[in-house]
Amino acid sequence: EVQLVESGGGLVQPGGSLRLSCVASGFTFSAYTMNWVRQAPGKGLEWLSFITGDGESVLYTHSLKGRFTISRDNAKNSLFLQMNSLTDEDTALYHCAREVDGSDSSRLDHWGQGTLVTVSS
Amino acid sequence: DIQMTQSPSSVSASVGDRVTITCRAGQNINKYLNWYQQRPGKAPKLLIYAASRLQNGVPSRFSGSGSETDFTLTINNLQPEDLATYSCQQTYSNPSFGGGTKVEIK
Repeated sequence: EVQLVESGGGLVQPGGSLRLSCVASGFTFSAYTMNWVRQAPGKGLEWLSFITGDGESVLYTHSLKGRFTISRDNAKNSLFLQMNSLTDEDTALYHCAREVDGSDSSRLDHWGQGTLVTVSS
Repeated sequence: DIQMTQSPSSVSASVGDRVTITCRAGQNINKYLNWYQQRPGKAPKLLIYAASRLQNGVPSRFSGSGSETDFTLTINNLQPEDLATYSCQQTYSNPSFGGGTKVEIK
């Protein structure tokens, strides 16, 4: 059974940093592109970033402006999101999700429950 | 980034009804369109991918259609467990989601 479990969320002051983790099980982690998606309170889903299975390619949504860095450790079946210069607009539930790519499609077929990040003084 | 616009933002329907949700892309995205269901307090769940393909294990009362800029998610024979927020996602370029449609049961 595919499982994705996020951790690392919490309360952080504006301007602070946080590192989120996502541990995967039930599939060959290194074979899959992985994504981070967040949902602010009362808002819709927002795609943040992906990293390919070999870690060679990454992509970010433009709105992050270089503050976040995605990485992975395939030996530990783990995905990470380093978040710097946090503002109250980063308050959200952060999900990791597995991506499946086809010849004519790309979709997120498994999601973790999320870890909550609250940015507040 | 490609803007995804969903409508309506919320809909209330009775058990057994048909519910239709639309998603409009800001540019042609071919069929690179997915639909997700998010029940209260739960993680999103993939329902439909490539505009019309049903994800394994999803009930056949869910269906998707459309291409290029206009897409539709239809829920036939609405069930109580369909209470959720439904979101579209384009993966033609940098991925982006629609704002979501909340489905309530009368």
